[in-house]
Amino acid sequence: AQKVTQAQTEISVVEKEDVTLDCVYETRDTTYYLFWYKQPPSGELVFLIRRNSFDEQNEISGRYSWNFQKSTSSFNFTITASQVVDSAVYFCALSGLYYGGSQGNLIFGKGTKLSVKP
Amino acid sequence: DGGITQSPKYLFRKEGQNVTLSCEQNLNHDAMYWYRQDPGQGLRLIYYSQIVNDFQKGDIAEGYSVSREKKESFPLTVTSAQKNPTAFYLCASSTDRAGQPQHFGDGTRLSIL
Repeated sequence: AQKVTQAQTEISVVEKEDVTLDCVYETRDTTYYLFWYKQPPSGELVFLIRRNSFDEQNEISGRYSWNFQKSTSSFNFTITASQVVDSAVYFCALSGLYYGGSQGNLIFGKGTKLSVKP
Repeated sequence: DGGITQSPKYLFRKEGQNVTLSCEQNLNHDAMYWYRQDPGQGLRLIYYSQIVNDFQKGDIAEGYSVSREKKESFPLTVTSAQKNPTAFYLCASSTDRAGQPQHFGDGTRLSIL
């Protein structure tokens, strides 16, 4: 079975703190993809990053960084020096080649609501 | 600008009424998806379509129907059989190749009168 777990339901930090959002996944596929999306209060989901199962290099984009570890089936997301504009719900998602009859289908975690206070 | 347009932004349904949510995309994507979002539940797949005139049920299709007569359009009808329709509905599209991200609309919030 395929599954994504985001154990942190809500996190609250003060501006400029670093924060890490956890994502643990389960899959039987050897080839799969992991995603992070941001959902601001306005509602739309914004794509942040994609990582394939063969690329374990960490990625940094400005204040955002992602740590992918196959050994622990985790794909964690860190925001450095958080800002109020980072307040949103963040979703981790998984897709495999053979899930659900469509290569494009995603399985989402339940999301982590991040509140950054000034 | 390329993107996905959902309308209306807010919708109210009376008891026993069917309502239709619109989703249009100009990204030339083959695949389109409908999700339902409830507080604390994440996104749950209602229906998806990989090609015109074909669609498949997702995890929670009961009480919903869709059509895909044009590549650009994938409307969702919430029927009177859906007893708890109050939720936030998101439409997405993708190229339907492995590993390609889905792109989302702004959503429609449906409430019961």
